[in-house]
Amino acid sequence: DGGITQSPKYLFRKEGQNVTLSCEQNLNHDAMYWYRQDPGQGLRLIYYSQIVNDFQKGDIAEGYSVSREKKESFPLTVTSAQKNPTAFYLCASTRTGGSGELFFGEGSRLTVL
Amino acid sequence: GDSVTQMEGPVTLSEEAFLTINCTYTATGYPSLFWYVQYPGEGLQLLLKATKADDKGSNKGFEATYRKETTSFHLEKGSVQVSDSAVYFCALSEGIQGAQKLVFGQGTRLTINP
Repeated sequence: DGGITQSPKYLFRKEGQNVTLSCEQNLNHDAMYWYRQDPGQGLRLIYYSQIVNDFQKGDIAEGYSVSREKKESFPLTVTSAQKNPTAFYLCASTRTGGSGELFFGEGSRLTVL
Repeated sequence: GDSVTQMEGPVTLSEEAFLTINCTYTATGYPSLFWYVQYPGEGLQLLLKATKADDKGSNKGFEATYRKETTSFHLEKGSVQVSDSAVYFCALSEGIQGAQKLVFGQGTRLTINP
C-alpha cells in the first residue's frame, strides 16, 4: 500500500545528543514536509522540500536540519542546538499542482531525558 | 501571513448530539480549506476539503462549507458517535514561491460520551 512511513515511533534522547528521524514515502510525491506538534499549539512547519536536493526553512527551523537526496526520503535531524526538542514530529507529503492536501505519516514522539 | 483560528476546546458532548466546531481564517488569496482528524497517538488524516467559495466538503457524516463572505469553514455533524472522539484541525493551503504549505489552527479536542 502507498503511504508515508516514519521511524522510530518513540525515541528517547539525552541532552546534547543529535537524533535523526526517518521519513519515507512511496506515493511518488514531489513535496515533503516536517511539522512539529506540541499540546494545544497545533502544527508548526519546520522544513519543506519541493524537489530533490532542495529544501526551505519553515517557521521554526532553528535547531533542526534536513536533507533530500532521494525523492522518497526526507530525514530530519534534531540537533543539540534545539532548546526544547521534546515533541511529536509529523512528516507529510503532497503532489505538486494539487489542492495542497497533505498526506501524513503516523508520527515520531521524541522525549529528551 | 495567513492564519487559522479554531474554536477552543476541549468540547464534550453526549452521543447523538449535534456538533459544530468553528473555524475562521485570514488569507490574502483564495486558499483551499481542509479539516483533518487526529486519533490518539496517530498522524493526521484528511476528513474533508473545499477548494473554492461555496463548495461543501463532506465525509463520514461531517460537513463544512467554504464561506468567503465570513471567511469561515465550520465543521458540523448531525449526530456524533463515541468513535468521533479525536482532535480536529482546520487548515488552509498557502502558496509560497510555488510551493503549497498548510497553515493549521490549534486543534479542537472532541470527546463523545456514551
